[in-house]
Amino acid sequence: QVQLVQSGAEVKKPGASVKVSCKASGYTFNSYGISWVRQAPGQGLEWMGWIRVHNGNTNYAQKLQGRVTLTTDTSTSTAYMELRSLISDDTAVYYCARIPNWGEEYFDLWGRGTLVTVSS
Amino acid sequence: EIVLTQSPGTLSLSPGERATLSCRASQSISSSYLAWYQQKPGQASRLLIYGASSRATGIPDRFSGSGSGTDFTLTISRLEPEDFAVYYCQQYVSSPITFGQGTRLEIK
Repeated sequence: QVQLVQSGAEVKKPGASVKVSCKASGYTFNSYGISWVRQAPGQGLEWMGWIRVHNGNTNYAQKLQGRVTLTTDTSTSTAYMELRSLISDDTAVYYCARIPNWGEEYFDLWGRGTLVTVSS
Repeated sequence: EIVLTQSPGTLSLSPGERATLSCRASQSISSSYLAWYQQKPGQASRLLIYGASSRATGIPDRFSGSGSGTDFTLTISRLEPEDFAVYYCQQYVSSPITFGQGTRLEIK
């Protein structure tokens, strides 16, 4: 079954870091890209960045540059999103999504999301 | 950054009716690099349309996309009960990728 399965909910204190995983199955992991999108409570979707799995190239949203790192582990078909120096505004559901075609970065497969709560 | 403005914010319709959702861009989106997604609580979001008018795999033909330049439309020809959800447009012509703020389609 083609799917992206994300790790469970996290609660973090301000200033901490969080690392969310996204395990792919049912397709050739190296042949696609992975993007990360977040959604604050009651808000819309915000793109965070993408990673090309086959060569590790990344592109990050300017707003998050320096705080976010996207990586992959091809041996386990898993993508990771690490966000550092967390603030309350980082409280959101974080989604991973598959990019099927380079040069056309729309998302044809989504994970169900991981809730990250930042609270003291 | 390309800003996408969706209208209306909420659309109240009955099953069987036609839904027309709008997405307007702050600058022209070349090559029609615009996609539409459906989001339901607790479920993975679903790609409906890419390239402004190409239906994604498995999407029923009651969903159609149209438009070019700065004005795009998602049309659902006859609403089914499962179509009531939030819909987002997304541009991928330039970085950063951006989304509209969403249209909530609710049962009247």
